[in-house]
Amino acid sequence: KAGVTQTPRYLIKTRGQQVTLSCSPISGHRSVSWYQQTPGQGLQFLFEYFSETQRNKGNFPGRFSGRQFSNSRSEMNVSTLELGDSALYLCASSFDSNTGELFFGEGSRLTVL
Amino acid sequence: AQRVTQPEKLLSVFKGAPVELKCNYSYSGSPELFWYVQYSRQRLQLLLRHISRESIKGFTADLNKGETSFHLKKPFAQEEDSAMYYCALKLKGAQKLVFGQGTRLTINP
Repeated sequence: KAGVTQTPRYLIKTRGQQVTLSCSPISGHRSVSWYQQTPGQGLQFLFEYFSETQRNKGNFPGRFSGRQFSNSRSEMNVSTLELGDSALYLCASSFDSNTGELFFGEGSRLTVL
Repeated sequence: AQRVTQPEKLLSVFKGAPVELKCNYSYSGSPELFWYVQYSRQRLQLLLRHISRESIKGFTADLNKGETSFHLKKPFAQEEDSAMYYCALKLKGAQKLVFGQGTRLTINP
């Protein structure tokens, strides 16, 4: 079974731009979660989607948004990028929406200049 | 507010010695706790969860509600145990994990 795939793996943007990150979950998994990882704050929950519906949202500003498609693939978007948005963005999938057992991707490393 | 604390950023032990990685949590509800591990150049993966009460790769973790702890233990460390370990708390009814800051474990030969 292929693992969780995230694209792009690395990207560089400048302040004020927007970015879209993509995540393909493990086949059959319907829940996709997103986490932001930084050296200072560690792993922080962004949001979770299940069957195209946002189930939970973390404490991030409205500039951070996401969606899930009917094939369970998910995208997250960050608009009006700030320097502090530089981070590793991790996507994780799971079969169900209440297990806590997450399968993580390798992440998308975003650098904002 | 829910919180997970891993007091040690770095932990270094010799091969064959016992290992204990500490994890304390703060949560008003009934906790579900997990340990995730990230080996060098690998993705973050689940090691074990308290509900299953299993031993994985020789590691065990017992939930102590009185002390609000979920320490990870292994009686005899092996070099391949060197990794970053994260304790995580799952909020009730939600697929949302609150992670600790992680402990980097190094096993010396």
